[in-house]
Amino acid sequence: AQRVTQPEKLLSVFKGAPVELKCNYSYSGSPELFWYVQYSRQRLQLLLRHISRESIKGFTADLNKGETSFHLKKPFAQEEDSAMYYCALNTGNQFYFGTGTSLTVIP
Amino acid sequence: DAGVIQSPRHEVTEMGQEVTLRCKPISGHNSLFWYRQTMMRGLELLIYFNNNVPIDDSGMPEDRFSAKMPNASFSTLKIQPSEPRDSAVYFCASTVAWNQPQHFGDGTRLSIL
Repeated sequence: AQRVTQPEKLLSVFKGAPVELKCNYSYSGSPELFWYVQYSRQRLQLLLRHISRESIKGFTADLNKGETSFHLKKPFAQEEDSAMYYCALNTGNQFYFGTGTSLTVIP
Repeated sequence: DAGVIQSPRHEVTEMGQEVTLRCKPISGHNSLFWYRQTMMRGLELLIYFNNNVPIDDSGMPEDRFSAKMPNASFSTLKIQPSEPRDSAVYFCASTVAWNQPQHFGDGTRLSIL
């Protein structure tokens, strides 16, 4: 069963527009959730994690246990945000990644 | 710190050949992960090690795949015999503790002809 679902494979927004990358998870325990980003020709790297509740590069993500979601949001997209984004779930003894969303910010 | 180091960066070989991918984790990291990335399936966890011991290999697709970690600074992922459907980017990642973020290598882009 898919533990982490990212329903959008591709997402395009205009520069300056708000962006939301969706992530839903399936886990009955206390999840630990992450967003990773892979810019063109760069390594996959951590963007943010839910327990730190911080904003990185203008992105935020709130864990909604009722909806089992961890959507990634940014109010004003920038061209440099174009990248592949992966949502990840740590259950304590397993790591699950979503299939990823490729974000393109149109100038 | 050079981070997680993977080699080779690219590998092109004919089907039926043995392929060995290598990974050097960050010094002091206790957990190591092997992933496969494809367009269709995204990032899939193949196997992970904790303190050099394989913990979960349920993601390994079939017996043609094997992974070892003979010491804390080296791991290999082997495919024998290789098939065209194994073509993908293979990532290695390490972390200092299970609940900490993973650090990824640059990946090995594998093409099986």
